[in-house]
Amino acid sequence: AQTVTQSQPEMSVQEAETVTLSCTYDTSESDYYLFWYKQPPSRQMILVIRQEAYKQQNATENRFSVNFQKAAKSFSLKISDSQLGDAAMYFCAYRSDNAGNMLTFGGGTRLMVKP
Amino acid sequence: DAGITQSPRHKVTETGTPVTLRCHQTENHRYMYWYRQDPGHGLRLIHYSYGVKDTDKGEVSDGYSVSRSKTEDFLLTLESATSSQTSVYFCAISGQWTLDSPLHFGNGTRLTVT
Repeated sequence: AQTVTQSQPEMSVQEAETVTLSCTYDTSESDYYLFWYKQPPSRQMILVIRQEAYKQQNATENRFSVNFQKAAKSFSLKISDSQLGDAAMYFCAYRSDNAGNMLTFGGGTRLMVKP
Repeated sequence: DAGITQSPRHKVTETGTPVTLRCHQTENHRYMYWYRQDPGHGLRLIHYSYGVKDTDKGEVSDGYSVSRSKTEDFLLTLESATSSQTSVYFCAISGQWTLDSPLHFGNGTRLTVT
């Protein structure tokens, strides 16, 4: 079974600084998708960014970017110019055909942003 | 935002009682999912549906059943609630069965079983 590991239960960052959240996954597949979801205190799950395994170029969405290292099975999220509104739980997730096309989530990282 | 409504938003119930959580969508999406969220575990799939009356089990389906009699409604039932089912439950929907198709989530139901 595929597993997704987020080794940092909590992280903190100073406002306007940059922070990187780690995610590793275990798979034998060559084609899959990886996602980062944000969950603010409202509990809503918000898609932040996604990456296809076949694409070498790292995905970017405004201040959010990923560092996708396929051989190392690593998918980290970089948040630049951190804002107070970035404070949330962040979940890494994996999806492939051989995982039944289901989303498999990591345990989450709580990000705190200090003013 | 995707039109997903979960009800109730909070519920407290006693061990052994039946509980039904409802997910209602206005997007006419074919695929619907129930997840539970527990500290340290992220979200884990309970059941999912790929059409009216078509459902299948997920990773943590024991103790849960689901029904989907209409496209827009997906019900999750705990036949006899246990304390281990205290959790936050999320419904999600998806329009396509492709790897890149994102899941859109409801705002969750916090269930406490005493």
